[in-house]
Amino acid sequence: NAGVTQTPKFRVLKTGQSMTLLCAQDMNHEYMYWYRQDPGMGLRLIHYSVGEGTTAKGEVPDGYNVSRLKKQNFLLGLESAAPSQTSVYFCASSYQLEVGGGDYNEQFFGPGTRLTVL
Amino acid sequence: KQEVTQIPAALSVPEGENLVLNCSFTDSAIYNLQWFRQDPGKGLTSLLLIQSSQREQTSGRLNASLDKSSGRSTLYIAASQPGDSATYLCAVSRGRYSTLTFGKGTMLLVSP
Repeated sequence: NAGVTQTPKFRVLKTGQSMTLLCAQDMNHEYMYWYRQDPGMGLRLIHYSVGEGTTAKGEVPDGYNVSRLKKQNFLLGLESAAPSQTSVYFCASSYQLEVGGGDYNEQFFGPGTRLTVL
Repeated sequence: KQEVTQIPAALSVPEGENLVLNCSFTDSAIYNLQWFRQDPGKGLTSLLLIQSSQREQTSGRLNASLDKSSGRSTLYIAASQPGDSATYLCAVSRGRYSTLTFGKGTMLLVSP
């Protein structure tokens, strides 16, 4: 199993350009997430999906759109990139089990995409 | 709003020492707490997950404890090795879909 993969690994954009980041998972996980990681800020949730065809906003959703057309893929789009979107983007996926009367939800992360917006 | 704090921000120890990393969170209504390891320029690797009903989890030389009522978790690393050098992140989940709130991490350096 490849786990969680992300495409591309690196990208440089000019302000105003658009792009799509692709996340794919082969673990048949129901839930998928997009985070960004910035120095001094830690990881913050952008958007997430709890199933095919569903999406929801996280902590920092502005300037991003997402789609989950297939269960194994979760796309993150930047319609008009800004320098403030320079960051490392991580995708994660998880399953959920009921164990011992509680929920067990372990997230697995991809290797990240390093995006620079000039 | 949930806030997660990790202390210390950086730690340098000689090989062989036992060490403790601390994580605190402001809202005790969590589902799970997860500890991750991140190597420079890499993704996150899950180390341990503690459900809110549990008090600790162990994996090899790692032991994580959870005291939900006081909003604290510790990650204990026994007999540290240079290969343990990395940033360790603590994250708590809230709600059925378990979105994570992360601390800023503890950067660990273990010297030979």
